[in-house]
Amino acid sequence: NAGVMQNPRHLVRRRGQEARLRCSPMKGHSHVYWYRQLPEEGLKFMVYLQKENIIDESGMPKERFSAEFPKEGPSILRIQQVVRGDSAAYFCASSEDYNNEQFFGPGTRLTVL
Amino acid sequence: TQLLEQSPQFLSIQEGENLTVYCNSSSVFSSLQWYRQEPGEGPVLLVTVVTGGEVKKLKRLTFQFGDARKDSSLHITAAQPGDTGLYLCAGASNFGNEKLTFGTGTRLTIIP
Repeated sequence: NAGVMQNPRHLVRRRGQEARLRCSPMKGHSHVYWYRQLPEEGLKFMVYLQKENIIDESGMPKERFSAEFPKEGPSILRIQQVVRGDSAAYFCASSEDYNNEQFFGPGTRLTVL
Repeated sequence: TQLLEQSPQFLSIQEGENLTVYCNSSSVFSSLQWYRQEPGEGPVLLVTVVTGGEVKKLKRLTFQFGDARKDSSLHITAAQPGDTGLYLCAGASNFGNEKLTFGTGTRLTIIP
């Protein structure tokens, strides 16, 4: 049973470009969470989604960031007009239900030049 | 805002020694999870504790959840170089597991 998959593992963007991060949850998991880990900081919750629904986006910056989890396909975290401060590791986690343990993917390391 | 403070932040000890890492908060959590993260990888779940006072053992690792569900500890017996890594505690609120609050982390180095 494959774990949580994220791609790309590394992403380099110039300021002003768009970044798209993809997450495929574990088989049988319909709950997806995105976290951000800034350099030398802990993981911070960004958004929680179920299929086709955003449940909690209280950790998402108000501008430039959006997330979706369509009926078919992976969850996408989209960052528009990236700035240097967006450079971080972005982790996706999935769970079977809202009250179950979360399993993390390997992360996408975004570098903004 | 819920906060989880871990101590120590850095710990470097000799192989074979014992150590304890602490995770403290002023908030109550419905459950608490411990993860280990290797450089360049995502956190890997070690254990989940749910009941106040609960103790769980995983080989040489012993995890305890405080009676009031506000704190937790991780004790490692006879540390080995393979235990080296970043240890993170993460709490789930009373309202469900959907948002984990992560601790500040303890970076452990075991010297052979």
